[in-house]
Amino acid sequence: GAVVSQHPSWVICKSGTSVKIECRSLDFQATTMFWYRQFPKQSLMLMATSNEGSKATYEQGVEKDKFLINHASLTLSTLTVTSAHPEDSSFYICSASPEQNRWQETQYFGPGTRLLVL
Amino acid sequence: QKEVEQDPGPLSVPEGAIVSLNCTYSNSAFQYFMWYRQYSRKGPELLMYTYSSGNKEDGRFTAQVDKSSKYISLFIRDSQPSDSATYLCAMSTDSWGKFQFGAGTQVVVTP
Repeated sequence: GAVVSQHPSWVICKSGTSVKIECRSLDFQATTMFWYRQFPKQSLMLMATSNEGSKATYEQGVEKDKFLINHASLTLSTLTVTSAHPEDSSFYICSASPEQNRWQETQYFGPGTRLLVL
Repeated sequence: QKEVEQDPGPLSVPEGAIVSLNCTYSNSAFQYFMWYRQYSRKGPELLMYTYSSGNKEDGRFTAQVDKSSKYISLFIRDSQPSDSATYLCAMSTDSWGKFQFGAGTQVVVTP
């Protein structure tokens, strides 16, 4: 149980294009979803937290107009990187929780999406 | 200064040895301490979490938290090659608080 999938697993795009990454909870309803970014040799950094049907809450320093997050249903969240640039190349990981708290034991991570912007 | 510091390794141990991992942190408000295992090209998988100070054991894994020293540890007994992965520590102030992760320690268990 508690499986989170991401699609695509990797993507290469040209600078200036937009890329959409999907995150799905396969066997539970995700009340809360999270998007993280991980650069090589660095820690996962939370980008934003979203609740189904609400606007995402972005962390300080994350451009909400560049990283569009949609949590339209209890099993799907999408992250769109608009006008991607090489510095956006990173490993993007989503996680999901069926609850609004107790995240220390109920946050389940997806396998990640590796984005390379040329 | 990073809120959570973790030695990136790699840490190489022979099969059967004890793996000792640790993280230090600066925010005394952290109350929840988690350890995740991450295999290459996979997402993190929760191993254990601890609330406040103390020890917690689960099979071959033992987690320790020393809040007075702002230091947490994870021990893996009787290590196996399948334990080869990156181990991440994470912390939060509340059960609904955002996680602060360490950079992860790469562990290699050699047969």
